[in-house]
Amino acid sequence: EDKVVQSPLSLVVHEGDTVTLNCSYEVTNFRSLLWYKQEKKAPTFLFMLTSSGIEKKSGRLSSILDKKELFSILNITATQTGDSAVYLCAVENAERAGGTSYGKLTFGQGTILTVHP
Amino acid sequence: DGGITQSPKYLFRKEGQNVTLSCEQNLNHDAMYWYRQDPGQGLRLIYYSQIVNDFQKGDIAEGYSVSREKKESFPLTVTSAQKNPTAFYLCASRTGTTVLGNQPQHFGDGTRLSIL
Repeated sequence: EDKVVQSPLSLVVHEGDTVTLNCSYEVTNFRSLLWYKQEKKAPTFLFMLTSSGIEKKSGRLSSILDKKELFSILNITATQTGDSAVYLCAVENAERAGGTSYGKLTFGQGTILTVHP
Repeated sequence: DGGITQSPKYLFRKEGQNVTLSCEQNLNHDAMYWYRQDPGQGLRLIYYSQIVNDFQKGDIAEGYSVSREKKESFPLTVTSAQKNPTAFYLCASRTGTTVLGNQPQHFGDGTRLSIL
């Protein structure tokens, strides 16, 4: 059974702090690891990681994957109150239908980040 | 605008009643998914569909049913057999991995279901 564990489960910081969110996983047929940000409604896509050691970056957010140790981290620098959200990590299991992959996602519990002014 | 539309936003179910949650997408995506989210937990997969007229059970399919008669639509029925249906339900879709490479799932805004 595929499994994803995120830590910490919740985190409270002040604006300007840097935070690191952790995600460890076990999956039978790994294809990719994804990070999403969820405020009140729909999770919004942040990053998709498929290769070890290659950092993906978007503004103040960055993420990296270690396929040997089976984990990923999401860093947020110079946090702002708008970063307050639940951050979800998911791994994709590469099921295939013909030549096309429609991988199933297994999600972690999420990390609740609260950024105070 | 292209996107995924879930309706209604809020839904109340009486005991013994079946209710149907709507999910429509105009992104021309092949695959569609239904997830359930409970407080303090991540998303759990209920059903998914790779192509029209085909769907597979996810991890928590008991008490739910789906259909996929059109590419754009993937409705979820919460039956009376689902004894604890109060949750936030999210629909997602994605294209398959082809010349575009691997693509992420994109989500609708969700439906909150409560028991009366």
